[in-house]
Amino acid sequence: DAKTTQPPSMDCAEGRAANLPCNHSTISGNEYVYWYRQIHSQGPQYIIHGLKNNETNEMASLIITEDRKSSTLILPHATLRDTAVYYCIVRRTGGGNKLTFGTGTQLKVEL
Amino acid sequence: DAGITQSPRYKITETGRQVTLMCHQTWSHSYMFWYRQDLGHGLRLIYYSAAADITDKGEVPDGYVVSRSKTENFPLTLESATRSQTSVYFCASSDGTEKNTEAFFGQGTRLTVV
Repeated sequence: DAKTTQPPSMDCAEGRAANLPCNHSTISGNEYVYWYRQIHSQGPQYIIHGLKNNETNEMASLIITEDRKSSTLILPHATLRDTAVYYCIVRRTGGGNKLTFGTGTQLKVEL
Repeated sequence: DAGITQSPRYKITETGRQVTLMCHQTWSHSYMFWYRQDLGHGLRLIYYSAAADITDKGEVPDGYVVSRSKTENFPLTLESATRSQTSVYFCASSDGTEKNTEAFFGQGTRLTVV
């Protein structure tokens, strides 16, 4: 699975959009981009995933560049409860969702 | 209750003791996973299982044993606990289909080996 690069930390004001970048320049054509988050001391939680089209669900939006070498997770109206470590993971189809976690981005949402 | 549950949530054991961490899921997911999380290392895969009676090593399997006699259970055993196995352990499950659905994680077991 391709490696990813994320900034170690970011801050965001409550109510504003949080834009979390991820670089995955070695991504292959059959690899998806997944985002998970981990709120302090809890198990990781799935957020969203995509292949090449932009995706949106009730939690977030995922914007993937046309060359698929980078992506951005957007939390449209961040709240204090969105403070967490966000992991960008690239993986192939199948295999039961075996995930390789990096160190992620620590997002701190402040008043 | 539906979902994935781990037990115990907290455990203190002595070096050299055998300890088993339990994981139970109610979705009949085919895949189950064990991860450990240490400061500075993030989550690392210990073992995973594609189905009952099928298990495979992950990134850090040494010192651990797993079994999967039933689809819903995936216990992790430390045969002779060492201080380096002090960690937070997370179990996860997924259905493993080509639809690429997400993995669901338990709340974790905090294990301290003294």
